[in-house]
Amino acid sequence: DTGVSQDPRHKITKRGQNVTFRCDPISEHNRLYWYRQTLGQGPEFLTYFQNEAQLEKSRLLSDRFSAERPKGSFSTLEIQRTEQGDSAMYLCASSSGRGSPLHFGNGTRLTVT
Amino acid sequence: SQQGEEDPQALSIQEGENATMNCSYKTSINNLQWYRQNSGRGLVHLILIRSNEREKHSGRLRVTLDTSKKSSSLLITASRAADTASYFCATFNQAGTALIFGKGTTLSVSS
Repeated sequence: DTGVSQDPRHKITKRGQNVTFRCDPISEHNRLYWYRQTLGQGPEFLTYFQNEAQLEKSRLLSDRFSAERPKGSFSTLEIQRTEQGDSAMYLCASSSGRGSPLHFGNGTRLTVT
Repeated sequence: SQQGEEDPQALSIQEGENATMNCSYKTSINNLQWYRQNSGRGLVHLILIRSNEREKHSGRLRVTLDTSKKSSSLLITASRAADTASYFCATFNQAGTALIFGKGTTLSVSS
């Protein structure tokens, strides 16, 4: 069990650029979640996949954000035309079933300058 | 939106003391989960308590759940410096598609 891995760990980008993050969940987990966390706050839910289907999206996920999970394995989160307010830690998690605990990666810290 | 709210926001104690954190939530639940987060890292699941359980233990952790008051508490006994972290409670939305976290309690244990 290698756990949930996220890449990159850190990303610094200029405002207006596009960025893409990758998440590799635990291999036998069919559920995958993305969260955003700012300093001093709890993780805010962004989106949920069951296998390759995106079944839930938060209102926080503006049209500049898109997530995919092709073939129900790894997932990518893309932010287009980044803004300074997008600076945060982006966390990915996976789980094995409804109501089960989530296993988190160590996140990608995004800084938009 | 935040489903749960932890109290206190911050807690500072000495090694060996007990730490109690409280969580309130808004809607009916199937279970409530507690997580821990060390600075700059991802969250780690600590314990899950089902709606039909009132108390659960895991090592130095004790969790209680009062569904009539929509509240839970996490007790860490005989705390250690290594317990310094942020602690979050979380519950799923009705559809079971989103685990919603509170703002967390930041625990600082000094030696």
